Amino acid sequence: AQSVTQLGSHVSVSEGALVLLRCNYSSSVPPYLFWYVQYPNQGLQLLLKYTSAATLVKGINGFEAEFKKSETSFHLTKPSAHMSDAAEYFCAVSDAINTGTASKLTFGTGTRLQVTL
Amino acid sequence: NAGVTQTPKFRVLKTGQSMTLLCAQDMNHEYMYWYRQDPGMGLRLIHYSVGEGTTAKGEVPDGYNVSRLKKQNFLLGLESAAPSQTSVYFCASRQSGTGAREEQYFGPGTRLTVT
Repeated sequence: AQSVTQLGSHVSVSEGALVLLRCNYSSSVPPYLFWYVQYPNQGLQLLLKYTSAATLVKGINGFEAEFKKSETSFHLTKPSAHMSDAAEYFCAVSDAINTGTASKLTFGTGTRLQVTL
Repeated sequence: NAGVTQTPKFRVLKTGQSMTLLCAQDMNHEYMYWYRQDPGMGLRLIHYSVGEGTTAKGEVPDGYNVSRLKKQNFLLGLESAAPSQTSVYFCASRQSGTGAREEQYFGPGTRLTVT
């Protein structure tokens, strides 16, 4: 079974500061990992994904994440926060690596990012 | 492309009433999913479908039924609503292509309140 743990349900940073959102996973198969962002009253939008190619993955809006197998982590970072980054962020792990299967995502409980002036 | 759309956006039900949530996607995706989102619990999978005419249970299927009569539509039904079903419901779809590496595309959500 797969699981995801997001440390910190709320994170507050100043505009211009480093953003670090933590995600640790547990998976019985080599994982595919995703970060999604949810702006207020909207659906989820993919930020980036790890699919066993490069361990450092770059996404939209200046975000990136590094897959570390030894630490079972996939933390999300951004060098300089912007007010528009305020949102909720979800880490998710896929339960399958085979094609032709309806892989299901297991989501973490989310981290709400607040950006202050 | 409209992507994934959901109808309605908001709904208030009384306990025991029934309703159907409609999800439609115009991306020709094979797989479709229904999730519920509750504070502090992330998204939990209710039911999913791997193609027209097929459905399967997810993590929290009790109290819900689904149907996939057309490839582009995935319906979620509540036969007898309960206050515990107050939640935000999201539909998602994914192409079958290269399997689990493909992202899911989400609709804007339906906010349901059961009183």
